[in-house]
Amino acid sequence: QVQLVESGGGVVQSGRSLRLSCVASGFTFSSYAMHWVRQAPGKGLEWVAVISYDGSSKSYTDSVKGRFTISRDNSKNTLYLQMNSLSAEDTAVYYCARKFDCSTTTCYRYFDYWGQGTLVTVSS
Amino acid sequence: EIVLTQSPGTLSLSPGERATLSCRASQSVISSYLAWYQQKPGQAPRLLIYDTSSRATGVSDRFTGSGSGTDFTLTISRLEPEDFAVYYCQQYGSPPPGTFGPGTKVDIK
Repeated sequence: QVQLVESGGGVVQSGRSLRLSCVASGFTFSSYAMHWVRQAPGKGLEWVAVISYDGSSKSYTDSVKGRFTISRDNSKNTLYLQMNSLSAEDTAVYYCARKFDCSTTTCYRYFDYWGQGTLVTVSS
Repeated sequence: EIVLTQSPGTLSLSPGERATLSCRASQSVISSYLAWYQQKPGQAPRLLIYDTSSRATGVSDRFTGSGSGTDFTLTISRLEPEDFAVYYCQQYGSPPPGTFGPGTKVDIK
């Protein structure tokens, strides 16, 4: 069965960096685009970034452009999110997620699988 | 960019009652590419409905999605205790890749 397991969250000071990981299993990871979606405490869902199946194409929400970098290692079935210059507004649970039948950054599909999330807390 | 609005913000109902949740888009959603997710405290979102009205695998037939254009509805026919949760709609017919509504909380009256 499809599993997505995030790790790397924790408490970090404002301005510092953190790298999240998401290990995938139960499907052909290298065939799918992958996303990061975050949820601030008590708030709704916010899409953060997407990477194509081969890593050649990436897209970000405006608030993280220039600070966050999404990447992947298909040999390790692992998705990453490098987060730099963190601020309190980045405090959230970060989920990795897969879209149904989607290999590119621009396909129009729904999210069919989500990880359990990893909490990032940015302290001042 | 399409903006989704969900109403009501909170719906207080009793088990066995019918719940009607609304999701309204600022522009027409292409090809009725609208999904609904359920989220319980401390859990990841779970896909319930896709393409406006198709139930995801394993989802009870108590959940029904409908609508078109800019107005969409999720109906829960008879609330079970496990249905009390937050529900999010998402459109995926146009960028950005993830446009979610603010959510509707269904809680126990």
